[in-house]
Amino acid sequence: NAGVTQTPKFRILKIGQSMTLQCAQDMNHNYMYWYRQDPGMGLKLIYYSVGAGITDKGEVPNGYNVSRSTTEDFPLRLELAAPSQTSVYFCASSYRTSGGTIAKNIQYFGAGTRLSVL
Amino acid sequence: GENVEQHPSTLSVQEGDSAVIKCTYSDSASNYFPWYKQELGKRPQLIIDIRSNVGEKKDQRIAVTLNKTAKHFSLHITETQPEDSAVYFCAAREGYQKVTFGTGTKLQVIP
Repeated sequence: NAGVTQTPKFRILKIGQSMTLQCAQDMNHNYMYWYRQDPGMGLKLIYYSVGAGITDKGEVPNGYNVSRSTTEDFPLRLELAAPSQTSVYFCASSYRTSGGTIAKNIQYFGAGTRLSVL
Repeated sequence: GENVEQHPSTLSVQEGDSAVIKCTYSDSASNYFPWYKQELGKRPQLIIDIRSNVGEKKDQRIAVTLNKTAKHFSLHITETQPEDSAVYFCAAREGYQKVTFGTGTKLQVIP
C-alpha cells in the first residue's frame, strides 16, 4: 500500500491563478480530510468527506472547493489563489474502528503540498 | 464546535528527563483523543491515543492520561531522547468524523 499520496509536493502560484491539489489513498478509507498548516501553527480543517459523493465544510473552507467522486480520490481546488493561501496542505484519510462502544478515528496523513502564492 | 487548547507551546528538557504536554477540550461529548508527532518537514504521525472510557494508557516511554471531569488530557514522555525532538499535537474528536487539533508543542531534547 502506498498510503496517502499527495501531488504536487511543491508549487508556486501567482495571485489569481487556480490549481488542484491531488490526494489519493489506497487503504479503502471512507473518511478523507484536507488541512492547512501555517508556519508554526496547528492543523486547520478545510473540508472533509465521509464517503464518495459526500463532502462538508471544515473550519476554514473559504477560497477552496472539493469533490469526492470515488472512494480513493479527494482533490482540493483553489480557484483564485491569494497570498493568504500560502501554506502547507495535508490530506488525510481515516477509518473507524469499533472493538467497543467508542470508535477510534485513526488518521493517516500524506506528505504534504507546500504552496506559495506570490 | 470543539475547541482544543494545548500548553506549553515550546518545551525544552535535558536528555533523560520527562516531558509533559497538556491539553484541554471544550466539548464534553468528545470521546477519542489522539496524539500526533510531527518532525520538521514531515507529516504528522499518530503516536498514541486514548478513548474516554479509559483513564490512562501507556506505550513504552509514552503515556497519556485523561480526566473527563476536568476535560483535560496529557502526554507524558519519560527518559527523553534527542529523537523525541519534534512538534506534538493533541486532538479531540467531535462527532463521528471531525478531529480538532491543538496548536502544537515544540519539544526540544537537549543532549
